[in-house]
Amino acid sequence: AQSVTQPDIHITVSEGASLELRCNYSYGATPYLFWYVQSPGQGLQLLLKYFSGDTLVQGIKGFEAEFKRSQSSFNLRKPSVHWSDAAEYFCAVGPFNQGGKLIFGQGTELSVKP
Amino acid sequence: DGGITQSPKYLFRKEGQNVTLSCEQNLNHDAMYWYRQDPGQGLRLIYYSQIVNDFQKGDIAEGYSVSREKKESFPLTVTSAQKNPTAFYLCASSKGTGRTDTQYFGPGTRLTVL
Repeated sequence: AQSVTQPDIHITVSEGASLELRCNYSYGATPYLFWYVQSPGQGLQLLLKYFSGDTLVQGIKGFEAEFKRSQSSFNLRKPSVHWSDAAEYFCAVGPFNQGGKLIFGQGTELSVKP
Repeated sequence: DGGITQSPKYLFRKEGQNVTLSCEQNLNHDAMYWYRQDPGQGLRLIYYSQIVNDFQKGDIAEGYSVSREKKESFPLTVTSAQKNPTAFYLCASSKGTGRTDTQYFGPGTRLTVL
């Protein structure tokens, strides 16, 4: 069955430090992968997506993610975190035949220390 | 500006009442979705619609109903049959349901049962 796992429920980093959020997926075919960000009480904003081609994907707000098929991973990275990056981050895989359904991970909450 | 609007932002319901959450999009998207978000559980698909006058159940449709009379609108009714309706509800839309069709999300409605 398809699934997405985000192993870290909560991560705290210092402002200016680098960031890596982990995402592992389970899917039999070539996955289409997404990272979304959610500020408190808000909807989800698309950060980046991977469909095919270059396995290193650039997104908005200085984020990037690398698709590693051998590790079934799609980790999100940022070289220098800003206080405004504090939010919850969701990894997703899809869309699937069920009307374009996405399967989401449980989310990782990021806190940024000044 | 094109986008997805959801109303109200906050909604309170007494037990036994039906309530309707609004979702409108002006992106000219064919497909629309409703997701439910609970803490620590990511997002789960309630209903989706690929085209006007057609909709399908998602993974957790029990206790919910929808309609799709217009391309722009996809309201969700939370019925009294939904045993635990307190949650954050997110509407999304995409151009289609193909594998490269990205879903975009509205700001959400937080429903609380009193």
